[in-house]
Amino acid sequence: EDQVTQSPEALRLQEGESSSLNCSYTVSGLRGLFWYRQDPGKGPEFLFTLYSAGEEKEKERLKATLTKKESFLHITAPKPEDSATYLCAGRRGSNYKLTFGKGTLLTVNP
Amino acid sequence: GAGVSQSPSNKVTEKGKDVELRCDPISGHTALYWYRQRLGQGLEFLIYFQGNSAPDKSGLPSDRFSAERTGESVSTLTIQRTQQEDSAVYLCASSLDATSLNEQFFGPGTRLTVL
Repeated sequence: EDQVTQSPEALRLQEGESSSLNCSYTVSGLRGLFWYRQDPGKGPEFLFTLYSAGEEKEKERLKATLTKKESFLHITAPKPEDSATYLCAGRRGSNYKLTFGKGTLLTVNP
Repeated sequence: GAGVSQSPSNKVTEKGKDVELRCDPISGHTALYWYRQRLGQGLEFLIYFQGNSAPDKSGLPSDRFSAERTGESVSTLTIQRTQQEDSAVYLCASSLDATSLNEQFFGPGTRLTVL
């Protein structure tokens, strides 16, 4: 059975304090590791897709990386507006289904 | 352009009643997905539609749940004889098609509360 585990469940940072979120996966024949951001009361917003180990993608203060077993979402010098729940999901082979982790609730204090 | 829209945004119902949730995908997206998000849990896949192909209903939790889609447009998710454990946010997503290269875009969700 495919599994995606995110840690920590919650993370509090001070503005400017860089950190990383972890996503461990056991997805057979992974073809796509997805990161989404979800604000309260809203649907997930697509951030990145990673396809192969060693791949990295960046967007503003966020950088996502992928290894054969896990993905990291690095947040550099976060701002309060980066506060949200960050979701990770894996897709198996050519299957369209995404297996989601439970998310990491990030709070950035000013 | 317009994103995925869902209605209603909130629905409160009594146990045993039927509810119908609506999803309007992004125009031109042939693939449509329904997910359920319970408090403190990850998103659970419910059902998938791709064009005129038979839908994948493998994620539906019971026969009280059903969904329809008209062509490549609107989809409705129906829950019959609602139970308290059905309380959750129901999210709809669409993608250009179902290949692994296309990310899924989500709507804002419908928050269902069963009293």
